[in-house]
Amino acid sequence: KQEVTQIPAALSVPEGENLVLNCSFTDSAIYNLQWFRQDPGKGLTSLLLIQSSQREQTSGRLNASLDKSSGRSTLYIAASQPGDSATYLCAVRDLGYSTLTFGKGTMLLVSP
Amino acid sequence: NAGVTQTPKFQVLKTGQSMTLQCAQDMNHNSMYWYRQDPGMGLRLIYYSASEGTTDKGEVPNGYNVSRLNKREFSLRLESAAPSQTSVYFCASSATTGEPQHFGDGTRLSIL
Repeated sequence: KQEVTQIPAALSVPEGENLVLNCSFTDSAIYNLQWFRQDPGKGLTSLLLIQSSQREQTSGRLNASLDKSSGRSTLYIAASQPGDSATYLCAVRDLGYSTLTFGKGTMLLVSP
Repeated sequence: NAGVTQTPKFQVLKTGQSMTLQCAQDMNHNSMYWYRQDPGMGLRLIYYSASEGTTDKGEVPNGYNVSRLNKREFSLRLESAAPSQTSVYFCASSATTGEPQHFGDGTRLSIL
């Protein structure tokens, strides 16, 4: 059974820092990997989706990388802002399956 | 631009009562999902519908039933609510099972 782990569970940084959130998964036979953002009291917003054949995806200040063989993905946030404060979750879709397995998330706080 | 709409947003039930959580999407998506989110457990899939006319069990289906009423609507029913079903319930949809999922804002359900 696929297991997805996110480290750290919580992170606090001052505004302007570049930061990296980590996601690891136990089974490398994946179809794709997604990063989501969740604001308090809200649903999840999809940030980036990386297909298993891709190495990275970029959207604005966000860059997600995928190393399938080692079972790792990172989400890089450049020049962090207080508005980036949220919980970030990664989720993996395994080959041959239609559903996602989620990590428990990293709670990010960016202080002004 | 509604996206995924869930009703109700909040609900308190007594043990043994029944209720149906409603979900509708206006993006013409084929696939729809029901998740529950609990502290320390992350997001877990209850049921999903890959396409209109099909439904499948997820990780935690016991105590729930679903109906894919049409392409737009996917409901989740608790026949006899139990305190263990106290949770935040999210509905999501995607164009296909391999595409990014779009989430509603959730239903916060308390069972006394």
